[in-house]
Amino acid sequence: AQSVSQHNHHVILSEAASLELGCNYSYGGTVNLFWYVQYPGQHLQLLLKYFSGDPLVKGIKGFEAEFIKSKFSFNLRKPSVQWSDTAEYFCAVPLGRSARQLTFGSGTQLTVLP
Amino acid sequence: DGGITQSPKYLFRKEGQNVTLSCEQNLNHDAMYWYRQDPGQGLRLIYYSQIVNDFQKGDIAEGYSVSREKKESFPLTVTSAQKNPTAFYLCASRQTGDTEAFFGQGTRLTVV
Repeated sequence: AQSVSQHNHHVILSEAASLELGCNYSYGGTVNLFWYVQYPGQHLQLLLKYFSGDPLVKGIKGFEAEFIKSKFSFNLRKPSVQWSDTAEYFCAVPLGRSARQLTFGSGTQLTVLP
Repeated sequence: DGGITQSPKYLFRKEGQNVTLSCEQNLNHDAMYWYRQDPGQGLRLIYYSQIVNDFQKGDIAEGYSVSREKKESFPLTVTSAQKNPTAFYLCASRQTGDTEAFFGQGTRLTVV
């Protein structure tokens, strides 16, 4: 079945540490890929997206993600996290018939310690 | 301001009652979605609609119903058949094609 997986459920880092959150999908066709962030008490907002072209995409607040087609992965990275990055992060991929079902992973809660 | 409005923000319901959650968008988006968010389970798709008068079941449609009579509106009814309705519900919309989704602020439903 088509799915999106995030294997890290809760990540705890100290400020200035590097971050990498995993996202894998199972879908054989052309994919669009998204990372969303949900800060405490706020609505979901787009962090970055990949449609085509350069597999390394840059988003807001210093985040980036790399699409590796052979590994069906779209991992999110940030070289140096800040306390304000504490949030829940979701990977999303349009799946299903004609890629109409925008499907989310189970999310990763990131806690950054000051 | 363009955006998605969900109302109410908090909703309490007695067991056995149906309740309808509102979602309105003025972004002129074709597609609209309803998700349920539970701790540790991410966002699970309940229903989605690509055009007016058409909608499809998502992964967890049982106990829910929707309608799409207008492009800008996609209300969700949580029926008494939903066994565990207490949750945070999110509505989203996006234009068809290669675009990202935009989300509302959510409705927290509590069954008492």
